[in-house]
Amino acid sequence: QVQLVQSGAEVKKPGASVKVSCKASGYTFTSYDINWVRQATGQGLEWMGWMNPNSGNTGYAQKFQGRVTMTRNTSISTAYMELSSLRSEDTAVYYCARGGGAPTNWGQGTLVTVSS
Amino acid sequence: EIVLTQSPGTLSLSPGERATLSCRASQSVSSSYLAWYQQKPGQAPRLLIYGASSRATGIPDRFSGSGSGTDFTLTISRLEPEDFAVYYCQQYGSSTETFGQGTKVEIK
Repeated sequence: QVQLVQSGAEVKKPGASVKVSCKASGYTFTSYDINWVRQATGQGLEWMGWMNPNSGNTGYAQKFQGRVTMTRNTSISTAYMELSSLRSEDTAVYYCARGGGAPTNWGQGTLVTVSS
Repeated sequence: EIVLTQSPGTLSLSPGERATLSCRASQSVSSSYLAWYQQKPGQAPRLLIYGASSRATGIPDRFSGSGSGTDFTLTISRLEPEDFAVYYCQQYGSSTETFGQGTKVEIK
């Protein structure tokens, strides 16, 4: 079955960077886009961007341009999302999701806490 | 970017009742690239509807989506206890995808 398993919770200081991983299994990793979505506690969903694991092409929400980088390692079927210059407002659960547009499979989420 | 406005913010209903959730876009959503998700506390979102009206795999037929252009609706024909949750719409027809702010369906 399709599974996306994300890395564990992180605590970072303001100004630091965080890199979240998303390991895919149960399907051909390079056949489906990976989207990243975040959710602050008690808030709604916020789309961050997408990556094509085959080509490495990416598209980012304007809000995160210059701060986010989405990459992949096809040999281990893993996607990564790195967010830099962290601030307190970046405290959220970060999800990866399989599929372009309307993703059908989601990771379990990774809590990133930004605190001094 | 396309702004999606969901209404109402909260819907208080009893099991067995019909739920009607609205999602209005600030501009036309290309090719009806609109999806609906259900989210329960502590869980990832679950895709219910894509393409405005197509049910995702395994989604019960009490869930239905309709609409086009700027106005979309999610209908739950008869609420089951497990349907009480938060619902989000999402448009994926433009280069920047966006979500609505959510509608909470709570037990009355």
